[in-house]
Amino acid sequence: SQQGEEDPQALSIQEGENATMNCSYKTSINNLQWYRQNSGRGLVHLILIRSNEREKHSGRLRVTLDTSKKSSSLLITASRAADTASYFCATDAGGAQKLVFGQGTRLTINP
Amino acid sequence: DSGVTQTPKHLITATGQRVTLRCSPRSGDLSVYWYQQSLDQGLQFLIQYYNGEERAKGNILERFSAQQFPDLHSELNLSSLELGDSALYFCASSPRVGQHYEQYFGPGTRLTVT
Repeated sequence: SQQGEEDPQALSIQEGENATMNCSYKTSINNLQWYRQNSGRGLVHLILIRSNEREKHSGRLRVTLDTSKKSSSLLITASRAADTASYFCATDAGGAQKLVFGQGTRLTINP
Repeated sequence: DSGVTQTPKHLITATGQRVTLRCSPRSGDLSVYWYQQSLDQGLQFLIQYYNGEERAKGNILERFSAQQFPDLHSELNLSSLELGDSALYFCASSPRVGQHYEQYFGPGTRLTVT
């Protein structure tokens, strides 16, 4: 079964708007990662946040982590058409090296 | 470009057949992971190798096997293929084994079983 569940499953916004995606997980983690996947292609690592961190930034990306609620959010500011992709959160499932992925959020940026 | 290469890009084969998928990790990465992505199951971890040895196993079927060679490239062998094995198979690599290493994914091999 999936460790992470993203919400919403699909999101469609206008270019320039901010996009927020949420991820919830079930077990304790050491870190949580966000990946982007363009249609049918490989995954691209976006950001890793450790369990002792609450917020992390990378360019237009902002990730928060709330371990008490077992949830994370990914904010993409000033969205661009090139941000259209599926976004996945992945956890390390409590210490194992394997990544456990959620079902993903499909983000569409309309010009 | 992540630096991880996978061959072939596409593979079409018939039920009951056997195929081999190949992965070359990023230069210097010792750890290789295999994942399967299908519409119904999503992205599932299959197996991990570190410096030639198996380190972690996921929901990998007994019909599937993998290995990592001394030059660190890895192969995933899928046998007695069924229609349900049709999926994207990804390889990923990371520098070492540890809690806080991101994984770099290859472009994937799309397997179609007919």
